[in-house]
Amino acid sequence: KAGVTQTPRYLIKTRGQQVTLSCSPISGHRSVSWYQQTPGQGLQFLFEYFSETQRNKGNFPGRFSGRQFSNSRSEMNVSTLELGDSALYLCASSLSGTQQETQYFGPGTRLLVL
Amino acid sequence: AQKITQTQPGMFVQEKEAVTLDCTYDTSDPSYGLFWYKQPSSGEMIFLIYQGSYDQQNATEGRYSLNFQKARKSANLVISASQLGDSAMYFCAMREVIQGAQKLVFGQGTRLTINP
Repeated sequence: KAGVTQTPRYLIKTRGQQVTLSCSPISGHRSVSWYQQTPGQGLQFLFEYFSETQRNKGNFPGRFSGRQFSNSRSEMNVSTLELGDSALYLCASSLSGTQQETQYFGPGTRLLVL
Repeated sequence: AQKITQTQPGMFVQEKEAVTLDCTYDTSDPSYGLFWYKQPSSGEMIFLIYQGSYDQQNATEGRYSLNFQKARKSANLVISASQLGDSAMYFCAMREVIQGAQKLVFGQGTRLTINP
């Protein structure tokens, strides 16, 4: 069974631009979560989607948004990029997001904002 | 809110030795799950082992075992017979579920270096 895939793997943008990252979960998984990882803040939760609905959102500004499609694939968008948005963005999937399930992560997208 | 604490920013171990990575947690929820992930320099988070709060036995997965002490709220990862490929960042995490909404809460991580 294929793992979680994320595209693109690397991205360079300039301040003020917007970016869209994509995540395809493991087949059959309906819960998709996004995390941001930076050296200063560590791993922080962005949001979680299940059956096309956002169930949970972390403490991030409205510039960060996401969505999930009927095939469980998810995208996250960051508008008006800032230097501080440079980070590794990780996507994780699980069957339904219950407490006993394991979340499996993709390889991440490294975003550099210049 | 749940909290994960990893007090060892870095550890250096000789190859083939066993190593214990510390993790303590704080939660008021009687039902919870604890995870350990490995992150090599490539960035991908690799799932290692899971422990449920109601599990009677400590979890084991190959060379990985979890020393789960519920009363002390600790869930230390033990790697036996360490290998050079074990050099990586290791994260302890807890699943937080509030009214069906879930997220993982991570510790700050421990950078493990295996010396030949």
